[in-house]
Amino acid sequence: GAVVSQHPSRVICKSGTSVKIECRSLDFQATTMFWYRQFPKQSLMLMATSNEGSKATYEQGVEKDKFLINHASLTLSTLTVTSAHPEDSSFYICSASPQGLLYEQYFGPGTRLTVT
Amino acid sequence: ILNVEQSPQSLHVQEGDSTNFTCSFPSSNFYALHWYRWETAKSPEALFVMTLNGDEKKKGRISATLNTKEGYSYLYIKGSQPEDSATYLCAFSVSSSGSARQLTFGSGTQLTVLP
Repeated sequence: GAVVSQHPSRVICKSGTSVKIECRSLDFQATTMFWYRQFPKQSLMLMATSNEGSKATYEQGVEKDKFLINHASLTLSTLTVTSAHPEDSSFYICSASPQGLLYEQYFGPGTRLTVT
Repeated sequence: ILNVEQSPQSLHVQEGDSTNFTCSFPSSNFYALHWYRWETAKSPEALFVMTLNGDEKKKGRISATLNTKEGYSYLYIKGSQPEDSATYLCAFSVSSSGSARQLTFGSGTQLTVLP
């Protein structure tokens, strides 16, 4: 149980285009989903917290107009990187917390984004 | 800024050896400490969540301890096997005005178990 999928696993796009990444909780409902980014040899850094039906909360330094997050249902959150630039190339990974389980957070496998 | 330090950054052990790594975190406003095991191309797998000072958890050959007063946690692997090779991440959360579930991660300890 507690499986989170992420799609696509890898994407290459041209500078200036937008890319959408999906995060789904497959066998549980998630009131809250989180989006992280990891640069080479660094830790996972929280970008934003997404609550179903409300606006995402972004961490300091993360541009909300650049990284659009939508959490329209209890099983799906999307991250759209708008007008991507080479510096947005990174590993993006989501996690989901089951409803009512404060301590637990389950991760997707991540998406490798390369902007050329 | 909340810092989580993990050491060592990487280590190689022989099959059958026991090993341990450390996670250090700020001790104030502590809420929970998580350990994850992350194999390449897979999702990080939750190993333990610990909330109480003195907590000890065990899952097979892997165990963890928690000291919230001094701000550290140890992860132990007894009789390492090649399939234990992975990056082990620790993360903690604080009881602040924000969501208690927001995690701050360390950089991980990359373990390689040589057959």
